[in-house]
Amino acid sequence: GNSVTQMEGPVTLSEEAFLTINCTYTATGYPSLFWYVQYPGEGLQLLLKATKADDKGSNKGFEATYRKETTSFHLEKGSVQVSDSAVYFCALSDPSGGSYIPTFGRGTSLIVHP
Amino acid sequence: KAGVTQTPRYLIKTRGQQVTLSCSPISGHRSVSWYQQTPGQGLQFLFEYFSETQRNKGNFPGRFSGRQFSNSRSEMNVSTLELGDSALYLCASSLDRFGGYDNSPLHFGNGTRLTVT
Repeated sequence: GNSVTQMEGPVTLSEEAFLTINCTYTATGYPSLFWYVQYPGEGLQLLLKATKADDKGSNKGFEATYRKETTSFHLEKGSVQVSDSAVYFCALSDPSGGSYIPTFGRGTSLIVHP
Repeated sequence: KAGVTQTPRYLIKTRGQQVTLSCSPISGHRSVSWYQQTPGQGLQFLFEYFSETQRNKGNFPGRFSGRQFSNSRSEMNVSTLELGDSALYLCASSLDRFGGYDNSPLHFGNGTRLTVT
């Protein structure tokens, strides 16, 4: 079956530090990949997505590149802010079997200190 | 444009009772899906509805059921509640069904926090 593996958190950084959150996946087919962010007390929000190999998704300074050869979709940001503190979820949608049911990683908590 | 609205925000029930959760999707969105979020299991897919039909179902017992109305609003029902059903239940809507137009991204509500005592 499909699976998404994210690095364990929490990730604790100082403001303006560089962020990487690792995400690797296993899928039967050729999935689309997503990063969602969840702020305290809220639901998930789509942060960025990529639908084919070598696509780069980007939004609000965050980037992730779809790497088919390493089955990875790592999230990066050059300079984090306190307001980026949240839980980040990597997810995939696999077209195999026609269902496209989304599979989520366990989430990585990011804490940014001033 | 109003976002996805879930009601109620919080619920406290006792074992054996049943509960109904409600989800109003973004206007124009025809797909609604439900998820259970717990610290131990993470985010798990429950089911997807599109055009009042259940299109996909996750690996949950039959005590979990749902439906979608003609205006795309959806309800989820859990019968014979167990302590392990305590969780944050999230609803998401999208323009099209899973894998449809532009692999429509999911728009989540803020969730209903269910506590079973």
